[in-house]
Amino acid sequence: GESVGLHLPTLSVQEGDNSIINCAYSNSASDYFIWYKQESGKGPQFIIDIRSNMDKRQGQRVTVLLNKTVKHLSLQIAATQPGDSAVYFCAENVPGTYKYIFGTGTRLKVLA
Amino acid sequence: DAGITQSPRHKVTETGTPVTLRCHQTENHRYMYWYRQDPGHGLRLIHYSYGVKDTDKGEVSDGYSVSRSKTEDFLLTLESATSSQTSVYFCAISEPSTGPNEKLFFGSGTQLSVL
Repeated sequence: GESVGLHLPTLSVQEGDNSIINCAYSNSASDYFIWYKQESGKGPQFIIDIRSNMDKRQGQRVTVLLNKTVKHLSLQIAATQPGDSAVYFCAENVPGTYKYIFGTGTRLKVLA
Repeated sequence: DAGITQSPRHKVTETGTPVTLRCHQTENHRYMYWYRQDPGHGLRLIHYSYGVKDTDKGEVSDGYSVSRSKTEDFLLTLESATSSQTSVYFCAISEPSTGPNEKLFFGSGTQLSVL
């Protein structure tokens, strides 16, 4: 909804530049991670996922990097476009369950 | 949001009244979830279902109940709405065919205001 993310960290990037959004996850045993994009007034939209047996996974204009040593996940968006403006957050699967822990998110603003 | 419909999209109600939110899916996914989203918090799990009539509590289940009588429908009921339940509610689905690690897809959300 409109009120979500009022105090989120914000990343401002110039159109055409690359964006890097970071996420620290909580459980060293977590073995599956998802990145979501959420536009104002809409539901979270699946972007890309990665399993813990991988360090990197690429999609269309997006790359997810996983650093298990420091429990860190990043989302790289190449050639950022105005349509990429949204809140981005990560989710980690709670090991051995069907539950997920979600980050609070980062707001990406694309400057024309 | 394809394949997941939440209704209503917006609801305003008064404290103390019961409220039911509906999630309908056309994907035949086994798992369905209800989350709430509030400023300063990540999505928090209220209840989830792992099959018809099979449900379990999430981390913020107090004041909520759920029912799943058909694969495609998952209902969330606020038994007696309170102002603290003003939130955006999201339904999600997944099909963990080979294990827990499967994609989670969300509906468009229901904005609920309790006055």
